Amino acid sequence: QQPVQSPQAVILREGEDAVINCSSSKALYSVHWYRQKHGEAPVFLMILLKGGEQKGHDKISASFNEKKQQSSLYLTASQLSYSGTYFCGTEDNFNKFYFGSGTKLNVKP
Amino acid sequence: EPEVTQTPSHQVTQMGQEVILRCVPISNHLYFYWYRQILGQKVEFLVSFYNNEISEKSEIFDDQFSVERPDGSNFTLKIRSTKLEDSAMYFCASSTGIRNQPQHFGDGTRLSIL
Repeated sequence: QQPVQSPQAVILREGEDAVINCSSSKALYSVHWYRQKHGEAPVFLMILLKGGEQKGHDKISASFNEKKQQSSLYLTASQLSYSGTYFCGTEDNFNKFYFGSGTKLNVKP
Repeated sequence: EPEVTQTPSHQVTQMGQEVILRCVPISNHLYFYWYRQILGQKVEFLVSFYNNEISEKSEIFDDQFSVERPDGSNFTLKIRSTKLEDSAMYFCASSTGIRNQPQHFGDGTRLSIL
């Protein structure tokens, strides 16, 4: 079913760090992270596979704890361009994909 | 870079009318999706389509909705007897179908029901 994201919203000053969490009640095969800016389509950031790997994309990285069925997205030294809504998407072992409800990130100067 | 294209970008329709939203997925992709996003809310899955048939659909995707791949390139979402609450942004996405590959989204069609 739909993963749960927390927090629902974050306000940061430029240069601050943030963590966005995504958890599922079901066993997961992979976790996808997307960012959506206001009025635009979601844009793919990264995919994490079961196995607990961590990935990075510039100063945005993520981890996936398969046993806990959780993923976290880490934004370090946030920039104004990081503002948007972050969605996790979870894929279970039966190829079913669900988006989380999103976390609104607002980075202020 | 190949992209998913959607038309029209904005559709205004009277309540009760039928609308068809069009999408051209990336050419070598095999899985196609429709999502709905009501203003300010989350992205909601509607339906996925593979091998010329629906592979998954959500509770939202009831008899009012249908999808079709009328030719080798287009993927359409038809909404019959539109209601005010159908007003939303509708996104089409496609993927290769290989596990662990991302979905690529189109820019969306904003549907406004009057």
